[in-house]
Amino acid sequence: QQQVKQSPQSLIVQKGGISIINCAYENTAFDYFPWYQQFPGKGPALLIAIRPDVSEKKEGRFTISFNKSAKQFSLHIMDSQPGDSATYFCAASLDGTSYGKLTFGQGTILTVHP
Amino acid sequence: DVKVTQSSRYLVKRTGEKVFLECVQDMDHENMFWYRQDPGLGLRLIYFSYDVKMKEKGDIPEGYSVSREKKERFSLILESASTNQTSMYLCASSFSGLRNTEAFFGQGTRLTVV
Repeated sequence: QQQVKQSPQSLIVQKGGISIINCAYENTAFDYFPWYQQFPGKGPALLIAIRPDVSEKKEGRFTISFNKSAKQFSLHIMDSQPGDSATYFCAASLDGTSYGKLTFGQGTILTVHP
Repeated sequence: DVKVTQSSRYLVKRTGEKVFLECVQDMDHENMFWYRQDPGLGLRLIYFSYDVKMKEKGDIPEGYSVSREKKERFSLILESASTNQTSMYLCASSFSGLRNTEAFFGQGTRLTVV
């Protein structure tokens, strides 16, 4: 079963535009929601993460918006750059009892055209 | 700087072979994970370990086993490789605690079973 659903599968954006990737989760007990960025030939690396006590978290051009009642969260990349072209994964986890296990979404391939 | 190192970038094995994928981390992390990455499916957890000699099944453990004899090393074993195990395998590690922390990934091993 896919507990975290991610969309779209692929996204093409022009340089300077806004990239938006959405995720929905099923398990209401999840309380840690990271986004990972993966470049070709590399392993995923943590980009930004949020916990449900806040509705938004911003780090530079990257923002997570979190809607607990809808069980959805999204990644916004402002002023998208060609260097942002990568695969993005949302994930969800349970603090404390899960030993850091992550449940990942299906991934979004982002292409930013110059 | 945290480093998770996987022993091989690329492997080609024959159907029925026993395959060992090795992973070493240098940050004294308690938790270690093996994920499988397939297009359109994201990352799926095969096995994880939260301590030496301790292991737990993930979401897709069938056909795999693991070994953790030392804290820094976590091995994934394909008992009898099959073509449907052709995939990218990612090892990760993280600290253990009440709140989940960043998982650090290796660069991945692309396994082809012929």
